[in-house]
Amino acid sequence: DSGVTQTPKHLITATGQRVTLRCSPRSGDLSVYWYQQSLDQGLQFLIQYYNGEERAKGNILERFSAQQFPDLHSELNLSSLELGDSALYFCASSIGTDNQPQHFGDGTRLSIL
Amino acid sequence: GESVGLHLPTLSVQEGDNSIINCAYSNSASDYFIWYKQESGKGPQFIIDIRSNMDKRQGQRVTVLLNKTVKHLSLQIAATQPGDSAVYFCAENIEGYSTLTFGKGTMLLVSP
Repeated sequence: DSGVTQTPKHLITATGQRVTLRCSPRSGDLSVYWYQQSLDQGLQFLIQYYNGEERAKGNILERFSAQQFPDLHSELNLSSLELGDSALYFCASSIGTDNQPQHFGDGTRLSIL
Repeated sequence: GESVGLHLPTLSVQEGDNSIINCAYSNSASDYFIWYKQESGKGPQFIIDIRSNMDKRQGQRVTVLLNKTVKHLSLQIAATQPGDSAVYFCAENIEGYSTLTFGKGTMLLVSP
C-alpha cells in the first residue's frame, strides 16, 4: 500500500460528459502529480501541484484541469469527454519536488462509451 | 512510436534465475532515476532509485546500475520469484525539473 488513495476506482460515462477524479496523497507529502496511462501512449505526465500551487505542466489537454486543496488532496477534472480519453489516470505524491521518489495510487479506470 | 502493452518487450525467466532489465534514457541532463514495478490492476510501485553521482545502488534482491557514458540503466533482480512478474518501468528526472519521464516498460514473466 503506497498510502496514496484514488477514487473512484472505475468510472464509466459517455462522450461529452464531465468527471472529477480525486486523490489523497500520502501523509506529509506536499506534491501531487497526475498521469495518464493508455496502451498506445504509455505513462504520460499531466500536471503537478505543490502545496496548493501549480508547479509543472505536461501533456494536459485544455479540456482537463486540476487543483490542490488546502488539505492537500487533489482533483482532476475532465470535461467534454471523447472516446480517446479512455485510460487509466494515476495520481502520485512526493514529499517535495524534484529528485524524489513519487508514490502512486492504484488509479482510476475511465471508460468512455 | 512503440506501444506499451501491445508491443511491450518481454523477458521470460525461470524461478530462481537472476533477471536483468535494461533501459536506455534519453537526456544527458537527467540526474535522478527510478525503477518502478507495475502489476496488473495496480499503480506503479517504487523499487529503487539512484542519483547521477552514483553508478551502483543495492536494495533487497535488487541492484540498479547506471552508465552515464552510454545513458544506460539496468535493474538486476536476484533469485527471481513468480511474484516478480510484472511490467518494469525506468523513469528519469532532469535536473531542475520536478517531472518524471517514463520509459516504455518491460514485461517480466517468471515461470515456476
